[in-house]
Amino acid sequence: QQQVKQSPQSLIVQKGGISIINCAYENTAFDYFPWYQQFPGKGPALLIAIRPDVSEKKEGRFTISFNKSAKQFSLHIMDSQPGDSATYFCAARGTSGSRLTFGEGTQLTVNP
Amino acid sequence: SAVISQKPSRDICQRGTSLTIQCQVDSQVTMMFWYRQQPGQSLTLIATANQGSEATYESGFVIDKFPISRPNLTFSTLTVSNMSPEDSSIYLCSVTYSGQSQHFGDGTRLSIL
Repeated sequence: QQQVKQSPQSLIVQKGGISIINCAYENTAFDYFPWYQQFPGKGPALLIAIRPDVSEKKEGRFTISFNKSAKQFSLHIMDSQPGDSATYFCAARGTSGSRLTFGEGTQLTVNP
Repeated sequence: SAVISQKPSRDICQRGTSLTIQCQVDSQVTMMFWYRQQPGQSLTLIATANQGSEATYESGFVIDKFPISRPNLTFSTLTVSNMSPEDSSIYLCSVTYSGQSQHFGDGTRLSIL
């Protein structure tokens, strides 16, 4: 199976709160898991990525948590800001250079 | 990361016509990809553009409808042929940089009347 399932479809968070977006995959050959942030009128921008040999990766307010046994990974946005309001996509890829499989996307709204 | 420029950024076209979208990268990249993103939806891979060989198309996409060229390591074009309203979408060019991360251009917003 090549699917990556993402939830929730939409998320509303108050400023300063934590935003959590979850993804699950089935293909155990996936070995690279990026998250993309997309603003209206723009292409997806790489936010943060993780490989399955670590359980967590943090860059500023953004953290990926990875659970290899459960085949799940999640994006946590700490101290969420209105400027974080965007659509977020998780993705997964097998051997280097091969196609990315994207989740369905989460529209995040951070209220001031 | 690579700077990826797409042209045109948007266009409105008549049914039955064709449009060629250009993707220019500021450095040589191994892999170039073309995606389609319908409004409010996720990204769907159309094809992988291989330098010096035929593009590799995903299921549901054919060369006659979406011919692709990749004349060198910094440039590719995607043509959307014989367009119909169903082809109204955002078309995105993407590259794999340093064999790892994949980066996207800002896309071409295409409307078919």
